[in-house]
Amino acid sequence: EAGVAQSPRYKIIEKRQSVAFWCNPISGHATLYWYQQILGQGPKLLIQFQNNGVVDDSQLPKDRFSAERLKGVDSTLKIQPAKLEDSAVYLCASSLIPGLAGGRPTNYNEQFFGPGTRLTVL
Amino acid sequence: TQLLEQSPQFLSIQEGENLTVYCNSSSVFSSLQWYRQEPGEGPVLLVTVVTGGEVKKLKRLTFQFGDARKDSSLHITAAQPGDTGLYLCAGASGTYKYIFGTGTRLKVLA
Repeated sequence: EAGVAQSPRYKIIEKRQSVAFWCNPISGHATLYWYQQILGQGPKLLIQFQNNGVVDDSQLPKDRFSAERLKGVDSTLKIQPAKLEDSAVYLCASSLIPGLAGGRPTNYNEQFFGPGTRLTVL
Repeated sequence: TQLLEQSPQFLSIQEGENLTVYCNSSSVFSSLQWYRQEPGEGPVLLVTVVTGGEVKKLKRLTFQFGDARKDSSLHITAAQPGDTGLYLCAGASGTYKYIFGTGTRLKVLA
């Protein structure tokens, strides 16, 4: 089974430039997440989609970050304009509908992560 | 705001030694997960614990969920260089949104 795909793997830009990241989740996974992982910290959820609808974007800096999942499959995350503090690894994860793992109902969520995109803002 | 504190932040040990990593919070979680992340890769789920006091074993790794479901520990027996990585705990409370801990970076020397 193919895993979560992300591209590019690395990106270096100057502050105030724009950048976009792409994610293709595991086939059949309805839920897609974007996380930001700053060096030395755990991942922080930016946005969660269920199919093509936003479930949670409470920690997304909406003045500069945007994300879409138009057809309920792959997704893009954009930063415009980038700031120095946006330097981080951006991780995409997918899961079946929350509360379902291995085809069985559960009270937890099983997320599968992609390799991430390492962004450096100069 | 829920916070998950992990300790220690860094750990460097010799192959064959045992170690324990802790994950603590003042919040109660409905489930808690442990992940391992290697350089250049995304986190990989190791285990999910959901019941207070639950203990799960995965080969040389033993995971325990606190009785009050506020804390957890990961114990590795006879560590090997392949155990090197960033260990992350993540807790969810009432929803399926997980808050990640600060991470423990483990290095096992051959």
